[in-house]
Amino acid sequence: DQQVKQNSPSLSVQEGRISILNCDYTNSMFDYFLWYKKYPAEGPTFLISISSIKDKNEDGRFTVFLNKSAKHLSLHIVPSQPGDSAVYFCAASIGVSDNDMRFGAGTRLTVKP
Amino acid sequence: DAGVIQSPRHEVTEMGQEVTLRCKPISGHNSLFWYRQTMMRGLELLIYFNNNVPIDDSGMPEDRFSAKMPNASFSTLKIQPSEPRDSAVYFCASSKDRGTEAFFGQGTRLTVV
Repeated sequence: DQQVKQNSPSLSVQEGRISILNCDYTNSMFDYFLWYKKYPAEGPTFLISISSIKDKNEDGRFTVFLNKSAKHLSLHIVPSQPGDSAVYFCAASIGVSDNDMRFGAGTRLTVKP
Repeated sequence: DAGVIQSPRHEVTEMGQEVTLRCKPISGHNSLFWYRQTMMRGLELLIYFNNNVPIDDSGMPEDRFSAKMPNASFSTLKIQPSEPRDSAVYFCASSKDRGTEAFFGQGTRLTVV
């Protein structure tokens, strides 16, 4: 049962443009959401997170938007750079005391120079 | 800190053999996770420990899979007997208690032939 879904397996954008990666979840109990970035042959690394009490969190070129009513979150990268090319995983968990984090299948982002 | 350390990085074994994957979490982290990465499902949570105690092993696919955490600095994931469909990259991650940002190891690529 996939509680966290990333329906786009891949995305290609031009350098300098905006990259938008989407994620949907089914469990309304999730209240903490994270994005991880993964390069080939490396483990995922934490990128940005958002708590359900917010609808937006920004960190430099990266912004995560949360729409609780739609059970949807998105990661915006502006402007996109070739070094952003990686697989991006969306993750969700229930409460800060519950470390049972569920991941989506990932979206492979390719930023073309 | 060296981060989460996994060994081996690569493992090739014959079907039916026992496989043991090892993980050393970041010192001071009280939660440890084992994930399996597949193309279709992304990162699947297999089991997670808190203070060396297994909290949720519902993601363990079959009885052939077992995990232990004998102390705060070491965990193993064992597959016995291994099957070709177990071929995947297995990640270990750790996080501070009551925190939700997990730090991942570089993974073990398992190939069962």
